[in-house]
Amino acid sequence: QSALTQPASVSGSPGQSITISCTGTSSDVGGYNYVSWYQQHPGKAPKLMIYEVSNRPSGVPDRFSGSKSGNTASLTISGLQAEDEADYYCSSYTSSSTHVVFGGGTKLTVL
Amino acid sequence: EVQLVESGGGVVQPGGSLRLSCAASGFTFDDYAMHWVRQAPGKGLEWVSLISGDGGSTYYADSVKGRFTISRDNSKNSLYLQMNSLRTEDTALYYCAKDIDFVGATTGFDYWGQGTLVTVSS
Repeated sequence: QSALTQPASVSGSPGQSITISCTGTSSDVGGYNYVSWYQQHPGKAPKLMIYEVSNRPSGVPDRFSGSKSGNTASLTISGLQAEDEADYYCSSYTSSSTHVVFGGGTKLTVL
Repeated sequence: EVQLVESGGGVVQPGGSLRLSCAASGFTFDDYAMHWVRQAPGKGLEWVSLISGDGGSTYYADSVKGRFTISRDNSKNSLYLQMNSLRTEDTALYYCAKDIDFVGATTGFDYWGQGTLVTVSS
């Protein structure tokens, strides 16, 4: 059982917007602005898309955005494209001894 | 260009040991925390361990605490994971990942290796 809760799957049509949620507690997502999001295509290593809730690394399209409200963080992808089809994972710092927790992952299907 | 290259994976019997290595290049290694993250076949990402840039602070997932040891040799730009008392549930692709900062609190891993496969089976 993952420490952070994500929907197992989401889908959208090209050009649409989708949002993936990541729910934790006040000991992780809600307590710190240290939430990251990763994209993983099959057979590939994960790629950092968002860090510190809403910051985009260089090279990540501005179609990808992050936000947080309370204990839930969100990744929004606007103008959905076929190449966005992938698995997405959130992560957060946690005040527990483990220090880092991941979500269970969300499979995004572009219809 | 930042590169992370893992090695040391293989097949090992339950109760056995393995030492994974990660060779880093293209950045000032001791300026950044480093992590090990694993992914069991067909499953999600699981964070394993973190070491700060100077090696002075280490953290572990509860699932590996007391069995795995993370270390680094900044003179060799290398990261290690000593895995003892291996269990079948440790079977996974093990990635090393570079943090975006020295301490490792942000959980932003901006570079990843391609992984090394560890299979624990009798």
